[in-house]
Amino acid sequence: QKEVEQNSGPLSVPEGAIASLNCTYSDRVSQSFFWYRQYSGKSPELIMSIYSNGDKEDGRFTAQLNKASQYVSLLIRDSQPSDSATYLCAVNWGSGAGSYQLTFGKGTKLSVIP
Amino acid sequence: EAGVAQSPRYKIIEKRQSVAFWCNPISGHATLYWYQQILGQGPKLLIQFQNNGVVDDSQLPKDRFSAERLKGVDSTLKIQPAKLEDSAVYLCASSLNRGGGETQYFGPGTRLLVL
Repeated sequence: QKEVEQNSGPLSVPEGAIASLNCTYSDRVSQSFFWYRQYSGKSPELIMSIYSNGDKEDGRFTAQLNKASQYVSLLIRDSQPSDSATYLCAVNWGSGAGSYQLTFGKGTKLSVIP
Repeated sequence: EAGVAQSPRYKIIEKRQSVAFWCNPISGHATLYWYQQILGQGPKLLIQFQNNGVVDDSQLPKDRFSAERLKGVDSTLKIQPAKLEDSAVYLCASSLNRGGGETQYFGPGTRLLVL
């Protein structure tokens, strides 16, 4: 059973602070990792993808991957109230016959307090 | 570039009735996915198509759910008969191909309430 675990939160941070979101996964052969943001009542939208160990930065967002520890995180610098949403961690692994299945965690709800 | 389109956006039915959802993926995207998202949970993959063939339907409750993608473009997902626990948002997504690093783009979803 492939599992993706996230702390459901809510995680509250003051405006301007760094928000740190964490995710662990159960399968060592996973190759690609994604962070999606989902506003209430909306569909998920991709904000970051990461495929190799280390850090990947995109604007205020940094994704960190440690395959040995089966851990992926998302840092949001200078958090804004508009960042308040649920953040979904997703892991892609092979499900056989050349296909890949994206498995999502339950999401962490982030609230940025003005 | 137009995104993934879904209809209807909302549907309310009574248990044991049937319902169908429609999805039109991003133009040129070969792979199409249907997900079920129950309130407070992450999306769960129901079925994955590559062109008009099924790649993975291991989590589709086949006694009541069916899906097709006849011409490799649009897709429909049907539930018959519906149960109370089918109340969820049904999300359609598409990607250019089915590789492990492919980005999936989601449609707005269909909110289903079964009474």
